[in-house]
Amino acid sequence: KAGVTQTPRYLIKTRGQQVTLSCSPISGHRSVSWYQQTPGQGLQFLFEYFSETQRNKGNFPGRFSGRQFSNSRSEMNVSTLELGDSALYLCASSGVTGDTEAFFGQGTRLTVV
Amino acid sequence: QQQVKQSPQSLIVQKGGISIINCAYENTAFDYFPWYQQFPGKGPALLIAIRPDVSEKKEGRFTISFNKSAKQFSLHIMDSQPGDSATYFCAANSGGYNKLIFGAGTRLAVHP
Repeated sequence: KAGVTQTPRYLIKTRGQQVTLSCSPISGHRSVSWYQQTPGQGLQFLFEYFSETQRNKGNFPGRFSGRQFSNSRSEMNVSTLELGDSALYLCASSGVTGDTEAFFGQGTRLTVV
Repeated sequence: QQQVKQSPQSLIVQKGGISIINCAYENTAFDYFPWYQQFPGKGPALLIAIRPDVSEKKEGRFTISFNKSAKQFSLHIMDSQPGDSATYFCAANSGGYNKLIFGAGTRLAVHP
């Protein structure tokens, strides 16, 4: 069974630009969550999508947004990038109802210069 | 109230020893407590998880101990090996959602 796939693995962007990250969950999983990991703040929850609807949202500014498609694949968008957005962005998929174990992808390393 | 506090921040253990990492939480609505292991350059990997209706769960060398009244849970790694050297995160969840609240992490180094 294929795991969670995140693309791209690495990104370098300039301040003010926008970026889109992609996540393909484990087949059959309908819940996809996104997390930001930084050395200073650790692992922080961004948002969760379930059946194409945002079900939960963390404490991040509106520049961070996401969506989920009918095949459960999800994208995360960050607009007007700031230096502080440099982080490892992780996607986690969970089962049919979302209340089972969450499995993480390898992440996308975003560097903002 | 949403925080999960994890300690220690770093831990050095000799090969064959026991590694113990502790976590505490405040939100009594939390009903699922997983532990994740993360190696450099990789995403967190689910190690073991527990729900509050049991006080202990063991899988191989890894054991979770759960104290509901104290709102604490811990990870014990028996017979620690150099290959266990990684960062370990405790987490908590509630309401059946894929929304984990993570501890700050513990960097474990197992010396041969």
